[in-house]
Amino acid sequence: KNEVEQSPQNLTAQEGEFITINCSYSVGISALHWLQQHPGGGIVSLFMLSSGKKKHGRLIATINIQEKHSSLHITASHPRDSAVYICAVVLRGGGATNKLIFGTGTLLAVQP
Amino acid sequence: DGGITQSPKYLFRKEGQNVTLSCEQNLNHDAMYWYRQDPGQGLRLIYYSQIVNDFQKGDIAEGYSVSREKKESFPLTVTSAQKNPTAFYLCASSIRPGTVNQPQHFGDGTRLSIL
Repeated sequence: KNEVEQSPQNLTAQEGEFITINCSYSVGISALHWLQQHPGGGIVSLFMLSSGKKKHGRLIATINIQEKHSSLHITASHPRDSAVYICAVVLRGGGATNKLIFGTGTLLAVQP
Repeated sequence: DGGITQSPKYLFRKEGQNVTLSCEQNLNHDAMYWYRQDPGQGLRLIYYSQIVNDFQKGDIAEGYSVSREKKESFPLTVTSAQKNPTAFYLCASSIRPGTVNQPQHFGDGTRLSIL
């Protein structure tokens, strides 16, 4: 079993829909990242959070440390949101390396 | 604008050949990382470096080598010992390895294929 699990693996939505991507992990962490990978392959960091909730534009990320679960929400989705969304956790006690463990990603396609 | 530059974007390797992937950053970051991405799998850490002239093996270092002679550069060599090199390779950096929870900045990647 992977230490970081994402669901769903694939998601197709219509423009304007509210989207939720989930991430569950089984290890102790000090932080969690949500990343966005565009078709060309480059990765952009969307959020890094260790508690509560963060919001940036139409994106909202939440984390529940007790339940070892995080969600990424996209409001009013748009075709330009189509990408792979990756959850990655920073191992607690990982020391100075800030080692990340990655989920396999969620492929989102938003249709006009 | 500061960022990470990986080159080339596409690279082809013949059997038995070593190839080197370039990664340069102008973010003044101390730590740099190399990841490999395969279809259906999460990114896996190959090597990382926390400071110039020092680097450590990650989870899948066999068949790879790195150097860190300059702060801004962290090239990755895929050697002939790497039997399954076809993958997407991502370079990343972060500010200070001694401070936890620093975000990592990623390059645009290099796609390596075997001829």
